[in-house]
Amino acid sequence: GNSVTQMEGPVTLSEEAFLTINCTYTATGYPSLFWYVQYPGEGLQLLLKATKADDKGSNKGFEATYRKETTSFHLEKGSVQVSDSAVYFCALSDPRSGTASKLTFGTGTRLQVTL
Amino acid sequence: EPEVTQTPSHQVTQMGQEVILRCVPISNHLYFYWYRQILGQKVEFLVSFYNNEISEKSEIFDDQFSVERPDGSNFTLKIRSTKLEDSAMYFCASTAGDLKQYFGPGTRLTVT
Repeated sequence: GNSVTQMEGPVTLSEEAFLTINCTYTATGYPSLFWYVQYPGEGLQLLLKATKADDKGSNKGFEATYRKETTSFHLEKGSVQVSDSAVYFCALSDPRSGTASKLTFGTGTRLQVTL
Repeated sequence: EPEVTQTPSHQVTQMGQEVILRCVPISNHLYFYWYRQILGQKVEFLVSFYNNEISEKSEIFDDQFSVERPDGSNFTLKIRSTKLEDSAMYFCASTAGDLKQYFGPGTRLTVT
């Protein structure tokens, strides 16, 4: 079946450091890929998405590129801020299951940014 | 921005008791979901719901679980006889049918 593997956390960075959170997936066909973010006390929010190979999703300075050859969707940000401290989840959906198919999540990676 | 709401935020119950977790999806959304996350583990899909019936369910969603949309605004998850291993954070989500699922803040269920 489909699965998502994320790097273990927590990740601790100083403000303005470069961020990479690795995500790889296993799926048959061509899944859509997502990064969700969960701030303390809140629900999961869609951060960015990509629906086909070589697509780059971007939002709020975060980017991720859909790499079919390496089955990866790594999240990057050039300069993190304290306000980016949150848990980040990589996820996929299988379009063969329909237009609103379920999401398959990774374990989540906690990011802590310090001054 | 519209949001999904969930109540209660934290529910403590004794093993064997029934619990109902409540969600109010975004009003014009058509598809509804329940996910759960056991502490330290992945967010797992439980069930999806469309047009007043279950579209898909996972192996976790056995006969002890049921979902309902009783009044056109609420979406509930019932666990008939809770077990210790049901302790988790339960997330409700909804979507209009595109790729963007909107999640609620979750209900933490503790079974003692």
